[in-house]
Amino acid sequence: GAGVSQTPSNKVTEKGKYVELRCDPISGHTALYWYRQSLGQGPEFLIYFQGTGAADDSGLPNDRFFAVRPEGSVSTLKIQRTERGDSAVYLCASSLGTGSTEAFFGQGTRLTVV
Amino acid sequence: AQRVTQPEKLLSVFKGAPVELKCNYSYSGSPELFWYVQYSRQRLQLLLRHISRESIKGFTADLNKGETSFHLKKPFAQEEDSAMYYCALRGVTGGGNKLTFGTGTQLKVEL
Repeated sequence: GAGVSQTPSNKVTEKGKYVELRCDPISGHTALYWYRQSLGQGPEFLIYFQGTGAADDSGLPNDRFFAVRPEGSVSTLKIQRTERGDSAVYLCASSLGTGSTEAFFGQGTRLTVV
Repeated sequence: AQRVTQPEKLLSVFKGAPVELKCNYSYSGSPELFWYVQYSRQRLQLLLRHISRESIKGFTADLNKGETSFHLKKPFAQEEDSAMYYCALRGVTGGGNKLTFGTGTQLKVEL
């Protein structure tokens, strides 16, 4: 594809609901990252996949957050029992592999929990 | 732990004036440093990385390990440089592949 694609671009949900955010990486990119960007802050790391497995999930804030990448391509970030503090822009990035390769970012999903 | 500090939230300069966006980092190992830029209504994109030692759109940045800094510089600002700039660090040793970002500096170039 032309780049990293994230859907939906905007999501409004009620407190306590479950949401799924989708990321389509650039074809052939084995590494995939999720970041969260709150207002006035830089992106904060959540989780990193190499292929199908989560190589580093140290940034997930708590067990309400979970991400999968079952076939090593598309990834879904899942948030259970959403809270107002989860409101942020969720960014996905992909790269060819590990090491010094450029990470390409998607446009992000703006999540608003009301 | 790795940390990136960008002390200025907003930097306003006139067109043609020099620009310096400050970035300091904290990391015990050997870091890789990057500058990312986000133009209005566009996605975050890589501007330059220290290992490439290149100039992109007239911008340069030198890694100073003694001062733990990676300031972004351009001798003559252009209107199209107005954007949000983020400094980021990737720990080569023990830091995995994640990027740690600063809080960003909004550069506004005025005519």
